[in-house]
Amino acid sequence: SQQGEEDPQALSIQEGENATMNCSYKTSINNLQWYRQNSGRGLVHLILIRSNEREKHSGRLRVTLDTSKKSSSLLITASRAADTASYFCSTSGTYKYIFGTGTRLKVLA
Amino acid sequence: EAQVTQNPRYLITVTGKKLTVTCSQNMNHEYMSWYRQDPGLGLRQIYYSMNVEVTDKGDVPEGYKVSRKEKRNFPLILESPSPNQTSLYFCASSASYSGGSNEQFFGPGTRLTVL
Repeated sequence: SQQGEEDPQALSIQEGENATMNCSYKTSINNLQWYRQNSGRGLVHLILIRSNEREKHSGRLRVTLDTSKKSSSLLITASRAADTASYFCSTSGTYKYIFGTGTRLKVLA
Repeated sequence: EAQVTQNPRYLITVTGKKLTVTCSQNMNHEYMSWYRQDPGLGLRQIYYSMNVEVTDKGDVPEGYKVSRKEKRNFPLILESPSPNQTSLYFCASSASYSGGSNEQFFGPGTRLTVL
């Protein structure tokens, strides 16, 4: 069963703008991860946030987690053309991983 | 270089012809997994393995088999492929499961078409 759902499905912005994408999930989690996928390639891990954390930063990435709303957001600041990719959230169940449907981000130069 | 490799990268086959997609990692990872990616559905886990000789079903295991005889290898077997198994397949590994707190490293993907 699909647990993570990203919103929006697609996002198009100008270079230099910020991009925000959201992920909702259905059950309790220990942590939540975000991954990036460049056109048809393997996913690359971006950041992990644990259930007892509310916010985490890594370079131009900022992730928030609201366990009461079962949602997370990924903010990419000062976006670049190279940020064009699909972004997925991933949660973990009993030894399994569940990925959302992804947000396709296009950054226009 | 630490990596997950998959072969073949592209495969076109016909219904019912058994095939194997290989996956190998060189990071001594315990946890390995197979996913399929379909438009609008994201990634769905097919099978996973906690360690050698320990495998279990993911969310979409029907029509697939796996084995884990060595730590580095985790082949995906389609004994009688059908057109609904046409998809993009990814193998991934992580150091261990550890409550899902370890990052997964993904292979480059195998694009399978079943006619």
